[in-house]
Amino acid sequence: DIQMTQSPHSLSASLGETVSIECLTSEGISNYLAWYQQKPGKSPQLLINYISSLQDGVPSRFSGSGSGTQYSLKISNMQPEDEGVYYCQQGYKYPFTFGSGTNLEIK
Amino acid sequence: EVQLVESGGGLVKPGSSLKLSCVASGFTFSGYGMHWIRQAPKKGLEWIALIYYDSSNKYYADSVKGRFTISRDNSKNSLYLEMNSLRSEDTAMYYCANAPDYGSLWYFDYWGQGVMVTVSS
Repeated sequence: DIQMTQSPHSLSASLGETVSIECLTSEGISNYLAWYQQKPGKSPQLLINYISSLQDGVPSRFSGSGSGTQYSLKISNMQPEDEGVYYCQQGYKYPFTFGSGTNLEIK
Repeated sequence: EVQLVESGGGLVKPGSSLKLSCVASGFTFSGYGMHWIRQAPKKGLEWIALIYYDSSNKYYADSVKGRFTISRDNSKNSLYLEMNSLRSEDTAMYYCANAPDYGSLWYFDYWGQGVMVTVSS
């Protein structure tokens, strides 16, 4: 299985700050990388697919980048509603696998 | 508006069976691949199964292969997960989710609210 190593495990940011979450894959996954946000007590929501393609309705302060085995999610101008747990996911090979999650909180 | 509503969860004993359902609305269900994904309490996400739009192909995580069966009834806009030989480690919130299109079966567009399955004696 493709391992997804996500860091940091948790993160605290001030309003307006820019934060980055990293995701390392155990092998190359081409473009098959997605990011999800999960708020407490809610289902995950798709933010980004194909590394950097923003879903409709997702604020432009979210952006994704990377290639090979290293990917990142950047959140610019941190807002209160950005609190939650963020997961990366690969879809290059079965079984599809997720990172362990990054818990993002407001400082 | 896309809606996915899961049902059928509950508390069951180890070794027993349970069948989850997911009813879809707001999109043409018969044209989309569908997934089941689960999340153990306070843990991360685990993909467990995919079924093509026409049931022609099904894929499973090793952790459930041979015990769980994904199926669908396009006439009822419904997705199912039949779970047999349940173990304590199957305790989780179970989500159904749709793939965005036939060429992009690998990620999860809309998710249901989830249904809880607890396996305990």
